[in-house]
Amino acid sequence: GEDVEQSLFLSVREGDSSVINCTYTDSSSTYLYWYKQEPGAGLQLLTYIFSNMDMKQDQRLTVLLNKKDKHLSLRIADTQTGDSAIYFCAWTSGNTPLVFGKGTRLSVIA
Amino acid sequence: GAVVSQHPSRVICKSGTSVKIECRSLDFQATTMFWYRQFPKQSLMLMATSNEGSKATYEQGVEKDKFLINHASLTLSTLTVTSAHPEDSSFYICSARGPGGTEKLFFGSGTQLSVL
Repeated sequence: GEDVEQSLFLSVREGDSSVINCTYTDSSSTYLYWYKQEPGAGLQLLTYIFSNMDMKQDQRLTVLLNKKDKHLSLRIADTQTGDSAIYFCAWTSGNTPLVFGKGTRLSVIA
Repeated sequence: GAVVSQHPSRVICKSGTSVKIECRSLDFQATTMFWYRQFPKQSLMLMATSNEGSKATYEQGVEKDKFLINHASLTLSTLTVTSAHPEDSSFYICSARGPGGTEKLFFGSGTQLSVL
């Protein structure tokens, strides 16, 4: 199957950490991504991880991958109001188009 | 990162007219581009895969004659919505594989199409 599941909404206070979760069903996923979409805009690639990795950190972003449970998470440290957006997880086997989740709307409360 | 430019960002047209959307890779060559459609508050739905110099591959349920895709060069793919109807109103986004590998996919800024 190609399903990618995400919770639809997340609300956090400014300065706290945000954790956005994603589960997928297809074990052939090789590359897993996190994209950010601001209102009326296209998608911005935030970070990605190869399936042979468990964790990747890039400044305020930390991606964790649990292949056994097919679970991917994105942690945003010190969340700011500018982080308010929709976050999509997605995967590809490498030669296939991306399969997206429905997106998690992150709201940051000042 | 690689830049994908999409134009126009917003278009309003009358029913029955055709609209062309352009997707350009500005600083790299893209042999493969993808066209997605996004309904309000929903995820992206892949419409078709556009390959330079050959016919596009359409996903099931997407009308080839309705959504014409042309990928005539390594930096340009176009999507033409023919005889547009109000139900075609949507946000259309193109993407291209980045240079040097398949692991990065870069997106255009999207086109909001409103058909009156």
